[in-house]
Amino acid sequence: AQTVTQSQPEMSVQEAETVTLSCTYDTSESDYYLFWYKQPPSRQMILVIRQEAYKQQNATENRFSVNFQKAAKSFSLKISDSQLGDAAMYFCAYRKQRGSQGNLIFGKGTKLSVKP
Amino acid sequence: SQTIHQWPATLVQPVGSPLSLECTVEGTSNPNLYWYRQAAGRGLQLLFYSVGIGQISSEVPQNLSASRPQDRQFILSSKKLLLSDSGFYLCAWSVPFMGQRNTGELFFGEGSRLTVL
Repeated sequence: AQTVTQSQPEMSVQEAETVTLSCTYDTSESDYYLFWYKQPPSRQMILVIRQEAYKQQNATENRFSVNFQKAAKSFSLKISDSQLGDAAMYFCAYRKQRGSQGNLIFGKGTKLSVKP
Repeated sequence: SQTIHQWPATLVQPVGSPLSLECTVEGTSNPNLYWYRQAAGRGLQLLFYSVGIGQISSEVPQNLSASRPQDRQFILSSKKLLLSDSGFYLCAWSVPFMGQRNTGELFFGEGSRLTVL
């Protein structure tokens, strides 16, 4: 069965600095998706960034980028120039490409605090 | 554009009372629909998913049930709530996942916080 592990329950970063959140996963599939979702205090889950496993290039969305290491099954999120609005829970998620179910498997999350 | 709404946002119910949480999606057809539960300090656990009207799959045995009476409507129910049913419930949708490559993500509603006393 696929699993997603986030080993950092909490992280803290100074405003304008860079922080990296870790995520590892376990799967026997070769084709899948990986995501980072943000859950602010309002609790709605917001997609931050996605990565398709067949793409070797790391995804980037403005200040957010990932380091995707397929062989190591690692998918870390880097937030550059951190802002107060980045404070939230961050969830790493996995979804296999095959099959009609399509649900995401989530890690337990990392709570990110941003210090002014 | 597509939107998803779920309600009520907050619910406080006594043990043994019934439950009905509703979720509707607009701007798309034949979406995959999901109910997740998020307990305090934990990740999201998939409860139910549906790939079409009347088609419901359950991921974990529990006191809850789900129904999909219309293409874009997903309902989470219980006949008698337990204390352990308390939590934050999230409805989500995705593009039909039928072996064709797509962007893959789920789109989430605003969530419903249920407190069972």
